[in-house]
Amino acid sequence: GAGVSQTPSNKVTEKGKYVELRCDPISGHTALYWYRQSLGQGPEFLIYFQGTGAADDSGLPNDRFFAVRPEGSVSTLKIQRTERGDSAVYLCASSFSGGANEQYFGPGTRLTVT
Amino acid sequence: KQEVTQIPAALSVPEGENLVLNCSFTDSAIYNLQWFRQDPGKGLTSLLLIQSSQREQTSGRLNASLDKSSGRSTLYIAASQPGDSATYLCAAYQGAQKLVFGQGTRLTINP
Repeated sequence: GAGVSQTPSNKVTEKGKYVELRCDPISGHTALYWYRQSLGQGPEFLIYFQGTGAADDSGLPNDRFFAVRPEGSVSTLKIQRTERGDSAVYLCASSFSGGANEQYFGPGTRLTVT
Repeated sequence: KQEVTQIPAALSVPEGENLVLNCSFTDSAIYNLQWFRQDPGKGLTSLLLIQSSQREQTSGRLNASLDKSSGRSTLYIAASQPGDSATYLCAAYQGAQKLVFGQGTRLTINP
């Protein structure tokens, strides 16, 4: 079946602008995760959804970052007033019911803030 | 707080060799541990998930072990091939909700 998909694959924006990144999880997966990966580093956790609610948002770096999953499927990561330091690859993953089950990752969105 | 370390950062070996990639973690009370492969410019491909109650997991030429008492996991690759060239990432669950990743080992298999 279809894997996790993310759009856009690349996003270039100017400093100070607002961006939205979209994630479509594997059908039937109730758990959804966002991670951020800087060049040469491993991914870092941002936020975890179980169904429609954010069960753990402890990785969001500041209040410019926000994520939603209104119907328990597609999720959108929103970044306000982007800064050059936000440039990274944003990865989305999903798993069946969470609870330390195997996570499946999408191809990522490469965000560049100029 | 869980911390994950992978050494070495890069490894280059000739084709056909068996090799071991190392991963260490600080909190032995982990739930599960997952190994991934990442090709340049791509997302992560899950290779193996070892549950906390298991000591090892195998898939084809790959074998991953888990020793919680020593805080270590290894990924063994048998009969390496040039197509195995990629970055390999180890990730341990912190609690039951999020993965904590190492920085990865960049593996090059030379024909």
